[in-house]
Amino acid sequence: DVVMTQTPVSLPVSLGGQASISCRSSQSLVHSNGNTYLHWYLQKPGQSPQLLIYRVSNRFSGVPDRFSGSGSGTDFTLKISRVEPEDLGDYYCLQSTHFPPLTFGSGTKLEIK
Amino acid sequence: QVQLKESGPGLVQPSQTLSLTCTVSGFSLTSNSVHWVRQPPGKGLEWVGAIWSGGSTDYNSALKSRLSISRDTSKSQVFLKMNSLQTEDTAIYFCTRSQPGWFAYWGQGTLVTVSS
Repeated sequence: DVVMTQTPVSLPVSLGGQASISCRSSQSLVHSNGNTYLHWYLQKPGQSPQLLIYRVSNRFSGVPDRFSGSGSGTDFTLKISRVEPEDLGDYYCLQSTHFPPLTFGSGTKLEIK
Repeated sequence: QVQLKESGPGLVQPSQTLSLTCTVSGFSLTSNSVHWVRQPPGKGLEWVGAIWSGGSTDYNSALKSRLSISRDTSKSQVFLKMNSLQTEDTAIYFCTRSQPGWFAYWGQGTLVTVSS
């Protein structure tokens, strides 16, 4: 199984500041078709996860451009600029290149400093 | 629009069988796969399994011996059955549609508590 190592566990940020979350996989996430299936989610308290970024760097419909994804191979980053109150919650990365199983990172809690 | 909604018993006794239903609308089960993901209280997300558009299934190997996922396309429903439930199976269970490769649409989740 692909292990997804997500850091940090907790990320205190100031409103208006920038946040960066790392996700590293135990093997390359480049699929044989050339695509990389690494995605990012935000889960707000009491809600279902919501898709932010798919395939490394593509923002899902309606996601503000304050959210950006980057990376390749085994090393990926989600950046949030100009953090707003509605950005607070738990962030997860997900790989779907190698399955079964699909595997999630362990999560990062974004909170106010 | 695309919608998914989980339903189930809420409380299950240890060693008993869990049966959950995911009722979908706005898309066809014969064109899209549906996955189950669970989340123990206060913990992270765990992929449980999937039923693909052609009807085949894949399961988390840690749960495979206890798990079955099926569907009724005429009713737009996907079913999860898990036997020999233990307290560690207490979780919110989500169903979600694969886009494919990523999950853009999720149900609201249903909490399953395993307790006597």
